[in-house]
Amino acid sequence: QKEVEQDPGPLSVPEGAIVSLNCTYSNSAFQYFMWYRQYSRKGPELLMYTYSSGNKEDGRFTAQVDKSSKYISLFIRDSQPSDSATYLCAMMRLNNNDMRFGAGTRLTVKP
Amino acid sequence: DTEVTQTPKHLVMGMTNKKSLKCEQHMGHRAMYWYKQKAKKPPELMFVYSYEKLSINESVPSRFSPECPNSSLLNLHLHALQPEDSALYLCASSVRPGQPDEQYFGPGTRLTVT
Repeated sequence: QKEVEQDPGPLSVPEGAIVSLNCTYSNSAFQYFMWYRQYSRKGPELLMYTYSSGNKEDGRFTAQVDKSSKYISLFIRDSQPSDSATYLCAMMRLNNNDMRFGAGTRLTVKP
Repeated sequence: DTEVTQTPKHLVMGMTNKKSLKCEQHMGHRAMYWYKQKAKKPPELMFVYSYEKLSINESVPSRFSPECPNSSLLNLHLHALQPEDSALYLCASSVRPGQPDEQYFGPGTRLTVT
């Protein structure tokens, strides 16, 4: 079993839709949970990070962490064509530099 | 300046060549990382420098040799690479080792080994 599981998609939605992206993990020691966006031929860009459990909102993006289920989610409201990218979840243990990435979900938002 | 720069953007090298990748940040970050990313795969951690000292080496082959001359610079020296080493090499930095806040990735160097 991989430490971090993420459905690679691809996922295609119409403009304005709510997008739900998810990851599961097996290592209960993970404390930091991140979401990155990566456009084609670019480096990943940190969208949001959450420490431990709970929700975090930033504009159209909401990140949720459920440590009891070892499940994290990223919601994108009012999705735009510019949101088309690969979304990577990533996780880290406290005071540990070793970040583990999910496979990435390729999202396309159609006008 | 919230930017990690990487040079060159593209590199083609033969299996007998020696080349170096360069990464630079001027944000005062004290942790710097090298990742390897194959097409349609997530980044894989190769090396971590924490306060200019190598703290993690993910069992990377010795044909990859990292160097951190100072807190702003990170190099990756390449020698006798194999075609399967062709990938996007990403550099990243973060404010403090062990915490992901304000972690920035560079655009990467796309390496092709012939």
